[in-house]
Amino acid sequence: EIVMTQSPATLSVYPGERVTLSCRASQSIGSNLAWYQQYPGQAPRLLIYAVSTRATGIPARFSGSGSGTDFTLTLSSLQSEDFAVYYCQQYNSWPRTFGQGTKVEIK
Amino acid sequence: EVQLVQSGAEVKKAGESLKISCKGSGYPFTSYWIGWVRQMPGKDLEWMGTIFPSDGETKYSPSFQGQVTISVDKSISAAYLQWNSLKASDTAMYYCATGAFGEYFDYWGQGTLVTVSS
Repeated sequence: EIVMTQSPATLSVYPGERVTLSCRASQSIGSNLAWYQQYPGQAPRLLIYAVSTRATGIPARFSGSGSGTDFTLTLSSLQSEDFAVYYCQQYNSWPRTFGQGTKVEIK
Repeated sequence: EVQLVQSGAEVKKAGESLKISCKGSGYPFTSYWIGWVRQMPGKDLEWMGTIFPSDGETKYSPSFQGQVTISVDKSISAAYLQWNSLKASDTAMYYCATGAFGEYFDYWGQGTLVTVSS
């Protein structure tokens, strides 16, 4: 089973700042990585798949990069609605696995 | 519009059985993998397993293999998650979700909260 490790666990940032979230896989997953956003009490929402392809309706301030084992999700100019928890998920092999999440909170 | 509508919250006792449902609409149900994700209170997402409705092929996480059963009823475009004997540690929110290729989840249900008392 591939273990996904996200860092940091929590990021405290000001609105308007740029943030970078990290996700590392325990073995190479190629480009088979997705990112999700989750607000408290809501279901997750797909943000990005195939490392860098934004899902329908996702604004351009969300971008993804990386390959192999190291990946990043960048949020440029944080908006109030971006304060949430972000999860990465690999789909290179079964079982699919999620990272433990990074919470982006208002400083 | 793709929709996944899950059954309502459940309160059960340890040792009881339970089957929760997820009804899909607005997409070709039999052609999209549909899976289940657990989220324990205040915790992260855990991928439990998935099923391809067309042929019933099922994949489970080792953590959940033998603990739950995933099934579908193609005739009513519904997927199910079933327990034979609940434990208090099964208390969690359970989400169903679907995606075309069994890779990532494009669409999610609203979640079913399962509470198990000991």
